[in-house]
Amino acid sequence: DAKTTQPPSMDCAEGRAANLPCNHSTISGNEYVYWYRQIHSQGPQYIIHGLKNNETNEMASLIITEDRKSSTLILPHATLRDTAVYYCIVRVGIQGAQKLVFGQGTRLTINP
Amino acid sequence: NAGVTQTPKFQVLKTGQSMTLQCAQDMNHNSMYWYRQDPGMGLRLIYYSASEGTTDKGEVPNGYNVSRLNKREFSLRLESAAPSQTSVYFCASSETVTQPQHFGDGTRLSIL
Repeated sequence: DAKTTQPPSMDCAEGRAANLPCNHSTISGNEYVYWYRQIHSQGPQYIIHGLKNNETNEMASLIITEDRKSSTLILPHATLRDTAVYYCIVRVGIQGAQKLVFGQGTRLTINP
Repeated sequence: NAGVTQTPKFQVLKTGQSMTLQCAQDMNHNSMYWYRQDPGMGLRLIYYSASEGTTDKGEVPNGYNVSRLNKREFSLRLESAAPSQTSVYFCASSETVTQPQHFGDGTRLSIL
């Protein structure tokens, strides 16, 4: 199974871009990178996912390196409501189904 | 839109008691999942159901059973609760096993 490595915590000023790194050096060619976040006491919230190309949606951008061994989640204009634990996940296949393996994540604190 | 609904939100049990956690989704999703989250840890997959009529073990299935009652509902049963099963339990669903998962707000279970 591909594993991910994230910094345990990060701080960012409100209104600035928050860049969250993730290493997944053992990722295989058909495995997607997913990002979720969990705001205190709530269920995880899907943010974005990608395979090879950079992706953007209304919440964030995902930059994946050419060798696919690392990626960066970008929140372009962080707000206080973006304070959460962010999980970088590589989807793993099991008997035709897929499961998400959540690690420890990065605790992002947005400061006023 | 309710999304994924879990009941109850809170429960306290005594060791040896049995309990069923309920989960229902109104998004017509095919796949459903049960996770547990312990303090300071990421989510761990207990069981999943790739489609109606199928269930499979995840990372930590011991002590649990599941039932995919119909397309909407996926229940998790603890036959003889143990203190080690004190945790927050999250249910999730996805359109198919390859699509992003959407989570409920969790059931906080304490076993004394």
